[in-house]
Amino acid sequence: EVQLVESGGGLVKPGGSLRLSCAASGFTFSNAWMSWVRQAPGKGLEWVGRIKSKTDGGTTDYAAPVKGRFTISRDDSKNTLYLQMNSLKTEDTAVYYCQYFDWLLPPQGYWGQGTLVTVSS
Amino acid sequence: QPVLTQSSSASASLGSSVKLTCTLSSGHSSYIIAWHQQQPGKAPRYLMKLEGSGSYNKGSGVPDRFSGSSSGADRYLTISNLQSEDEADYYCETWDSKLGVFGGGTKLTVL
Repeated sequence: EVQLVESGGGLVKPGGSLRLSCAASGFTFSNAWMSWVRQAPGKGLEWVGRIKSKTDGGTTDYAAPVKGRFTISRDDSKNTLYLQMNSLKTEDTAVYYCQYFDWLLPPQGYWGQGTLVTVSS
Repeated sequence: QPVLTQSSSASASLGSSVKLTCTLSSGHSSYIIAWHQQQPGKAPRYLMKLEGSGSYNKGSGVPDRFSGSSSGADRYLTISNLQSEDEADYYCETWDSKLGVFGGGTKLTVL
């Protein structure tokens, strides 16, 4: 059974940093392209960024609002995805989800339960 | 970069059917999308992958009441025999080579 478990959320002051983790199990993590998605209170889903598998280059892509401030990384030995968030702004307040798609037939999508990040003074 | 447009709200009666629409922006009408459901207070749940041809693949455990279809740049999610637990927000998602994109979501009310 695929499981994605986020952790690391909390309260941080504007300008501060936080690192989120997503522990993955039930699939071959090293082959997976992994994404982060966030949801501000009362708002819709917003794609944050993605990291490809090392086999596919291990490169990262980011949405414009977080580019240059957020960094996605992975530790395949620990089956864990990370989101390093620096220079946090109040508008980064959101629940952060990790997301994985298995495109082999039949395709399946998976979401974690989310972790809340609150940026406030 | 593709843009996905969804109506902000929809409503239908218990036991009836409803068809939600997600429209791809110009130049992106062939894109594959995914539909997700988010019930109040819960994490999103993957419903299906939907291609421009109308072919769709549902996620594990998704009831038969849920189906997908396509017409041009429009991608549809049809829910038949509406149940109270179908009251939720529904999001479409797509990707290009560099980015992922979500539609604004449709809030479905079951009357």
